[in-house]
Amino acid sequence: TQLLEQSPQFLSIQEGENLTVYCNSSSVFSSLQWYRQEPGEGPVLLVTVVTGGEVKKLKRLTFQFGDARKDSSLHITAAQPGDTGLYLCAGVSLGWGKLQFGAGTQVVVTP
Amino acid sequence: GAGVSQTPSNKVTEKGKYVELRCDPISGHTALYWYRQSLGQGPEFLIYFQGTGAADDSGLPNDRFFAVRPEGSVSTLKIQRTERGDSAVYLCASSSYTDTQYFGPGTRLTVL
Repeated sequence: TQLLEQSPQFLSIQEGENLTVYCNSSSVFSSLQWYRQEPGEGPVLLVTVVTGGEVKKLKRLTFQFGDARKDSSLHITAAQPGDTGLYLCAGVSLGWGKLQFGAGTQVVVTP
Repeated sequence: GAGVSQTPSNKVTEKGKYVELRCDPISGHTALYWYRQSLGQGPEFLIYFQGTGAADDSGLPNDRFFAVRPEGSVSTLKIQRTERGDSAVYLCASSSYTDTQYFGPGTRLTVL
């Protein structure tokens, strides 16, 4: 059972369009991380958000952490085929090493 | 290479057999994690080592699963009497204490 709910499960868009992926939880986490995973590889960390209300930008990617530190979103502007992948959010609880992952959103960007 | 490596990359076995999956962490990383990822799901935590000891093994599904890290570096995940439901990608990650986790490419286990 995944404690973090991600939506949508699948997203297919054309190159140049924008997209938003959501991550929601009933639990509060000390921080939340976003990963991208490609076929045959392990997840790769994109960003960590720590403070409620925090917004981080990584080139065309914008990450938000909700005020209550229970939800987060990832927005991609002008998507490119290289953005294709499985986007995973993961909650981190203070003092615990383990990550609790959502089920992921599969993003496909076609040229 | 400087990354986390896992062997084998693929393992096919028969129901009831014993398997061992190996993880070589990044040199110097004290923390090592095992996760399991089933099709269409995110990784699910299994066990976490800090040095040689298991700091948290709450994710191991039952006593058929066991993991060791005898010298605080390489780790082996051992699964006894495999079942078809054990089929998944087993991911290993390492970190410096509880810092960023770096994942290996995983071992795809198929139990026939």
